[in-house]
Amino acid sequence: KAGVTQTPRYLIKTRGQQVTLSCSPISGHRSVSWYQQTPGQGLQFLFEYFSETQRNKGNFPGRFSGRQFSNSRSEMNVSTLELGDSALYLCASSLRGSNYGYTFGSGTRLTVV
Amino acid sequence: GNSVTQMEGPVTLSEEAFLTINCTYTATGYPSLFWYVQYPGEGLQLLLKATKADDKGSNKGFEATYRKETTSFHLEKGSVQVSDSAVYFCALSDDRNTGNQFYFGTGTSLTVIP
Repeated sequence: KAGVTQTPRYLIKTRGQQVTLSCSPISGHRSVSWYQQTPGQGLQFLFEYFSETQRNKGNFPGRFSGRQFSNSRSEMNVSTLELGDSALYLCASSLRGSNYGYTFGSGTRLTVV
Repeated sequence: GNSVTQMEGPVTLSEEAFLTINCTYTATGYPSLFWYVQYPGEGLQLLLKATKADDKGSNKGFEATYRKETTSFHLEKGSVQVSDSAVYFCALSDDRNTGNQFYFGTGTSLTVIP
């Protein structure tokens, strides 16, 4: 059974650019969440999608956005990148919701220079 | 609101030593509690979970009991191995009140030396 797949694994972008990260959840999982992990702030919730609808959003500026497609694949986009956006971005999927646990991908390491 | 406080690291133990990583939580509702583990260069892996008070989660020799009276979910293992070296995260989720999101602790780095 394939796990959660995130692409690309590594990205280097310049300040002011935008970036799109991709996530393919486990087959059959309809809930997809995104988290940002940094040494200073730890793991912070970005947003959660279910059946193409954003159900929950964390406390991030509007530069961070996401979407989910009909096949449950999800993308997140960060516009006008700042140095502080450098982080590991983790995608997670679940069949039944967070109370039952999420399966995480290996993440995309974004470096903004 | 919801929050998780876990023991600061790093923790260094000798192989076969007993491990305890403390975790306490604050929640407005009746959350589920989790321990996740992160190995270098990888994402998070679910280690164990408990969905209601007095439940004990266990996996790979690790155990944690959901204690509502002390709002705790401490992780224990009787005999650690070098392969247990990783960062451990305690987390809670309360999807009825705050939607499908985890509140994570800051993580505890464990190094096990031979």
